[in-house]
Amino acid sequence: QQQVRQSPQSLTVWEGETAILNCSYEDSTFNYFPWYQQFPGEGPALLISIRSVSDKKEDGRFTIFFNKREKKLSLHITDSQPGDSATYFCAARTGGYKVVFGSGTRLLVSP
Amino acid sequence: NSKVIQTPRYLVKGQGQKAKMRCIPEKGHPVVFWYQQNKNNEFKFLINFQNQEVLQQIDMTEKRFSAECPSNSPCSLEIQSSEAGDSALYLCASSLENYAEQFFGPGTRLTVL
Repeated sequence: QQQVRQSPQSLTVWEGETAILNCSYEDSTFNYFPWYQQFPGEGPALLISIRSVSDKKEDGRFTIFFNKREKKLSLHITDSQPGDSATYFCAARTGGYKVVFGSGTRLLVSP
Repeated sequence: NSKVIQTPRYLVKGQGQKAKMRCIPEKGHPVVFWYQQNKNNEFKFLINFQNQEVLQQIDMTEKRFSAECPSNSPCSLEIQSSEAGDSALYLCASSLENYAEQFFGPGTRLTVL
């Protein structure tokens, strides 16, 4: 049973466009949502995160929008660059140690 | 940038062989996690430590997998008798405390022939 779902599986945007990556979850006790960026051959790197008490978190070109009622969140990457091409993982956690990962969205930014 | 060090980066073993990988957590991070990331990008938590003590582990880990984090030595994850299904990227992550941000290393890619 997948507790964290991501869509689309893969996404291609042109350089300069906004990429929108979607995530939904089932467990209403999840209260912390990190997004990780993973390049081929590397481990995932924490990109940006949000707590369930907030509905928006911004860091440069990366913004998380969070809808607690619908159990949905999205990562917006504005002014996408070829260097943003990577796989992005939405993850979720309760107050405990266990982080549950989605299956990822592979983003390709074409110049 | 994470400073978790994992060795080796690549590991090739035959079925039934032992496979051992190591992790040096980021300096000052007492909590270490091991995850398995398969070819479908699914992450599976295996075990975590605080200093040298096991905090949590899954059932699979109790059977063929063993792990330790000795003081003043790298942490390690060992698969006693490798199976084809163990082929995956093994990720080590560290954090300041059990419920804090986790920072990942580059992983050890295990291929079991």
